[in-house]
Amino acid sequence: DIQMTQSPSSLSASVGDRITITCRTSQTIRDFLNWYQQKAGKAPKLLIYGASSLQSGVPSRFSGSGAGTDFTLTISSLQPEDFATYYCQQSYTTPPTFGQGTKVEI
Amino acid sequence: QVTLKESGPALVKPTQTLTLTCTFSGFSLRTSGMRVSWIRHPPGKALEWLARIDWDDDKFYSTSLKTRLTISKDTSKNQVVLTMTNMDPVDTATYYCALDSSKERGNYYYYAMDVWGQGTTVTVSS
Repeated sequence: DIQMTQSPSSLSASVGDRITITCRTSQTIRDFLNWYQQKAGKAPKLLIYGASSLQSGVPSRFSGSGAGTDFTLTISSLQPEDFATYYCQQSYTTPPTFGQGTKVEI
Repeated sequence: QVTLKESGPALVKPTQTLTLTCTFSGFSLRTSGMRVSWIRHPPGKALEWLARIDWDDDKFYSTSLKTRLTISKDTSKNQVVLTMTNMDPVDTATYYCALDSSKERGNYYYYAMDVWGQGTTVTVSS
């Protein structure tokens, strides 16, 4: 199985901050990388697919980049509703695997 | 509008078999490219993918759990069923089903879990 390593595991930030979350994979996955946001008690929500494509309805302050084994999720200006846990997930091979999550706190 | 909803027991005893049902609407598992996955979220831990069934009845399982899992579909009822045998307290989690659909970009199709059910919480305790 492909191993996913996210960093940091948590971060503290303020409204308006620019933040970046990193995801590294144990082998190349080209650009078959998705990002999800999960709020407490809720189902995950797809933000980015294919490493850089914004899912319909997701605000443009979210962006993704990377290819191969190194990927980033950036929130350009953190909003109050963005405080949540973020997961990367590879869709290159089956079984799909998730990172351990990055909790974004105030 | 695509929706999915999980159902099943809230409490199971250790060693028992868990059966969860995902009832969906807004798409058909007879349609080429459609897939439904099960994912769980143990409290305080990361998301864990469990199993997937495809429109052509291909089935895939988590490497670590494959001996305990069975996934099936009933296309006439728009349902996907997951069974997990020999339940243990470490299996306590919220269990989700999700539509795993493809998105075309350039010459490639990218799969992502883009519609999720609300989840059902399962506690394993005697």
